Amino acid sequence: AQSVTQLDSQVPVFEEAPVELRCNYSSSVSVYLFWYVQYPNQGLQLLLKYLSGSTLVKGINGFEAEFNKSQTSFHLRKPSVHISDTAEYFCAVILSGSARQLTFGSGTQLTVLP
Amino acid sequence: GAGVSQSPRYKVAKRGQDVALRCDPISGHVSLFWYQQALGQGPEFLTYFQNEAQLDKSGLPSDRFFAERPEGSVSTLKIQRTQQEDSAVYLCASSLLGGMNTEAFFGQGTRLTVV
Repeated sequence: AQSVTQLDSQVPVFEEAPVELRCNYSSSVSVYLFWYVQYPNQGLQLLLKYLSGSTLVKGINGFEAEFNKSQTSFHLRKPSVHISDTAEYFCAVILSGSARQLTFGSGTQLTVLP
Repeated sequence: GAGVSQSPRYKVAKRGQDVALRCDPISGHVSLFWYQQALGQGPEFLTYFQNEAQLDKSGLPSDRFFAERPEGSVSTLKIQRTQQEDSAVYLCASSLLGGMNTEAFFGQGTRLTVV
């Protein structure tokens, strides 16, 4: 069975500091990896995705993530956060050959402090 | 509309009541997904449509849950005899095609509270 683990449920960080949100997945087959952001009372928005190719993926709003197959990780990073980055962040996978549904982690609440 | 629209945004149901949640996907989108998001959790897959065909309903938690998309556009998720454990946000997502390269766009969700 596949699962997605987000190791930190809450991450507080000061404005302009760097941040890393951790994500690990368990699967013995190929996966496609995603990060979504959910602002309060809004739908999920795609930040970035890894399908194949370069393991460093750049997304919107200055976020990037690195796929590490040996460590089965897909950590999300941003070098300098803003107050507006405060939101819930979800890591998700799609199994190759599946019906294309997303399997989500439990989420990480990022709170940027002034 | 410009995005995925869900209605109602909020629904309070008495235990045992039937509810119907509506999803209007982006026009022309072939794929449509329903997810259930419990408080403090990530969304969990319920069911998947490609046009009007329901290709996967493995995530539906019980036979009280039923989804349809009769004309390949609007979809309705129906929950019969609601229970307190059904309280959650129900998310709908649509994508242009079924492939991995096509982004899934999510609606704002319907927050269902069963009292």
